[in-house]
Amino acid sequence: RKEVEQDPGPFNVPEGATVAFNCTYSNSASQSFFWYRQDCRKEPKLLMSVYSSGNEDGRFTAQLNRASQYISLLIRDSKLSDSATYLCVVWRGDYKLSFGAGTTVTVRA
Amino acid sequence: GAVVSQHPSWVICKSGTSVKIECRSLDFQATTMFWYRQFPKQSLMLMATSNEGSKATYEQGVEKDKFLINHASLTLSTLTVTSAHPEDSSFYICSARDLPSGRDEQFFGPGTRLTVL
Repeated sequence: RKEVEQDPGPFNVPEGATVAFNCTYSNSASQSFFWYRQDCRKEPKLLMSVYSSGNEDGRFTAQLNRASQYISLLIRDSKLSDSATYLCVVWRGDYKLSFGAGTTVTVRA
Repeated sequence: GAVVSQHPSWVICKSGTSVKIECRSLDFQATTMFWYRQFPKQSLMLMATSNEGSKATYEQGVEKDKFLINHASLTLSTLTVTSAHPEDSSFYICSARDLPSGRDEQFFGPGTRLTVL
């Protein structure tokens, strides 16, 4: 089983729509979780950390469900610039990160 | 945020040659840097952890004699792909922690796209 699994998508949504997707992780001892954004042929960039109580950053909301070992990301009022691949990242410990393969989101005009 | 650079951004080489990729932290010191590889439509896979002044630690399945890592200073780590073959063609990305800041965030370099003919 992969350490981090994501639905690859793609999720094709119109501008202004809400899109949400999850990722699951296998190591129940994992402590830190992140969502990164990766544009085509570019490096990943941190979108937001995911806290136990859930957190929001503008139009982005992240949730953590430890019992079911999944993390979710919700994007409200989608913009064209939100089109990207969203990587679910879990901290393995000792500052090593495990990456999911990414969920592709395409926002259309 | 902190800045990490990589050089070259892309390289094409013949099979059997060696390629060196540099990773630099531009505005902070990084005692630890990480090297990842990403094949198309796949996740970033950690290859090794580069430690300043000591040997790198490699992930299972990564050949240390093929992927030579040198972390000679607090701002520079190099990855040398020795005797490269077409199957080594990939996107290589480094990351570094801004240790003095105390933040957990890792900053990624822009990546190096290697194509081996």
